[in-house]
Parts: sequence; C-alpha cells; structure tokens
Amino acid sequence: GQSLEQPSEVTAVEGAIVQINCTYQTSGFYGLSWYQQHDGGAPTFLSYNGLDGLEETGRFSSFLSRSDSYGYLLLQELQMKDSASYFCAVIDTVGSSNTGKLIFGQGTTLQVKP
Amino acid sequence: EAGVVQSPRYKIIEKKQPVAFWCNPISGHNTLYWYLQNLGQGPELLIRYENEEAVDDSQLPKDRFSAERLKGVDSTLKIQPAELGDSAVYLCASSLDRPGTQYFGPGTRLLVL
Repeated sequence: GQSLEQPSEVTAVEGAIVQINCTYQTSGFYGLSWYQQHDGGAPTFLSYNGLDGLEETGRFSSFLSRSDSYGYLLLQELQMKDSASYFCAVIDTVGSSNTGKLIFGQGTTLQVKP
Repeated sequence: EAGVVQSPRYKIIEKKQPVAFWCNPISGHNTLYWYLQNLGQGPELLIRYENEEAVDDSQLPKDRFSAERLKGVDSTLKIQPAELGDSAVYLCASSLDRPGTQYFGPGTRLLVL
C-alpha cells in the first residue's frame, strides 16, 4: 500500500522557523515534492527532492533521507501569508521509472500567529 | 505565461444529473492530470494523460466518470449520473518534464444535492 504521514496542524509565530515532517511508505519512490495550498486556492509547487539532502529556495528548504523514508519542509522567517496547507507528495514509479504520478499526503495546516 | 484554466469554478447540481468540467493546460504541457480533492484531504489522481492518451486511469470510477483529451490539449471530465458523494473539488494540473512539478488550476467546486 501507499501511505504518507504528516502532522495535521502546526502553529507558529511570525518570524519563527517551522519544520513540517513527512514519512512515507510506498511501493515505488522516485522523489518527494512539496506543495502549498491556501484556502480555496490551487496547490502550488514549492520544492522537489530527488536525491538525499537539502534543497533551498528562498525562505523555504526541503530535506530528504531515502534510507529513512523521511523528508521535511522548513519554513524560515515566517510571515502571515505562509498560513496555508502544506502537502508532501511522493512520485510513484514502475520499476525505477518515473510514472509522473504524485501520491499526496493528507496535508498539514500551518497557522502563523502575530 | 497563462496558468491552467478550469471552468466552471463552481457547480451545484441535483443527484443523478450529469456534469462536465473543462480544463485548458499550460501551453506546451503534454501531460495533463485530473485530481479529486475532498475537504481536508490531499488531491487524489483520477486520470493522467500523455498527449491524447490516457496512460493511467486506474482510479477513475468508470461506471460514472469519463474523460477525454481531444487533440492533446483541452480536456473534459464528465460525471453521469452524479451522486452525493461526488461533492468535492476537481483539480486539473499539467506538467512538462520536470519531476514532481505540476501546475494546478483553481479547481471546480462541485456540490451535489
């Protein structure tokens, strides 16, 4: 089966740093992506990890450990506009080939307080 | 560059009625996806197209759902007949060739009464 686990809710204050964890158990794995979704909005791509290690994009960073089936999204210098849902998503494979199919987690609702 | 366009944005229908959703992907994106998203859940893939070919429709309930992507550009997702449990947001996404990177449209919010 396929399962991804992430916390349902996280609360932090403006200016702080928050980490959203994601663990996965999937039959195939090509890489891990992160998406942001504001209420009523479309999911927006944030980051992709195909290899172990840290990827940095501005205030957002994402980490992957394939051996631990674990990744996280790190948000720094939190702003009120970062209040949203954050989804990790595994890229499925057939054999070792990328199918292009994303399997999403349930999402983590981040609330940033003043 | 224009994003993924979907219409309608909202749709309210009575159960057993048919409904159709339309999607125009980003120009040049050969891969198109339809997802279903229930409240408080992540998107779930319904069908994936490579150009005009449906390469993964394993999660599409084929007894009532159908989809097409004529000429490998626009796509239509249809439900006939709709059931109460079909109330959800239907998202369309497209991608080019970057792993894990998909561009989503604003979705169609369907309410079946």
